[in-house]
Amino acid sequence: DAGVIQSPRHEVTEMGQEVTLRCKPISGHDYLFWYRQTMMRGLELLIYFNNNVPIDDSGMPEDRFSAKMPNASFSTLKIQPSEPRDSAVYFCASSRASRWRGNQPQHFGDGTRLSIL
Amino acid sequence: ELKVEQNPLFLSMQEGKNYTIYCNYSTTSDRLYWYRQDPGKSLESLFVLLSNGAVKQEGRLMASLDTKARLSTLHITAAVHDLSATYFCAVENYGGSQGNLIFGKGTKLSVKP
Repeated sequence: DAGVIQSPRHEVTEMGQEVTLRCKPISGHDYLFWYRQTMMRGLELLIYFNNNVPIDDSGMPEDRFSAKMPNASFSTLKIQPSEPRDSAVYFCASSRASRWRGNQPQHFGDGTRLSIL
Repeated sequence: ELKVEQNPLFLSMQEGKNYTIYCNYSTTSDRLYWYRQDPGKSLESLFVLLSNGAVKQEGRLMASLDTKARLSTLHITAAVHDLSATYFCAVENYGGSQGNLIFGKGTKLSVKP
């Protein structure tokens, strides 16, 4: 089975530009998570979806960030306009609900390393 | 609000030695996960602990969960260089929907010859 697929792997762009990160979850997984990882703040949950519906977006830092999941196999995280403090590694993860709630670990993609100049 | 604390945050150990990483959490939960992250890489699931007293072992790593004490341990036996990585514990937010995990800050392990 293919794992969680993220693109691009690296993104370098100038402040003020729009950035779009993409994620394809593992087929059959109905939960999708977006995380941000920095040295200072560690791993932070930004937003997660269940069956394509956003459940909790309280981790989204501000209105410049938005996320969508138009179908079960695709999600985007958009930053507009981008700022240098958005530089981080962004991970997408997916998991499958089961009768035994919680016994399926989240599977992480390889991440997108984002640098805003 | 669920908080997850790991200690130590940095651990330098010699090959062949034993050590334990601790993960404390602040509110009720009976589901805890351990992940490994190599530098510049993704997070890899190591263990899923689903109940009080759960113990899982894989090679030189053994994880346990005490839900009454709100404590999980990751024990390293006879460390080897290949175990050098950052280890995260993550606790399921009991009041939240399935899979909503709160991560500790990670323990960066360095095993030296």
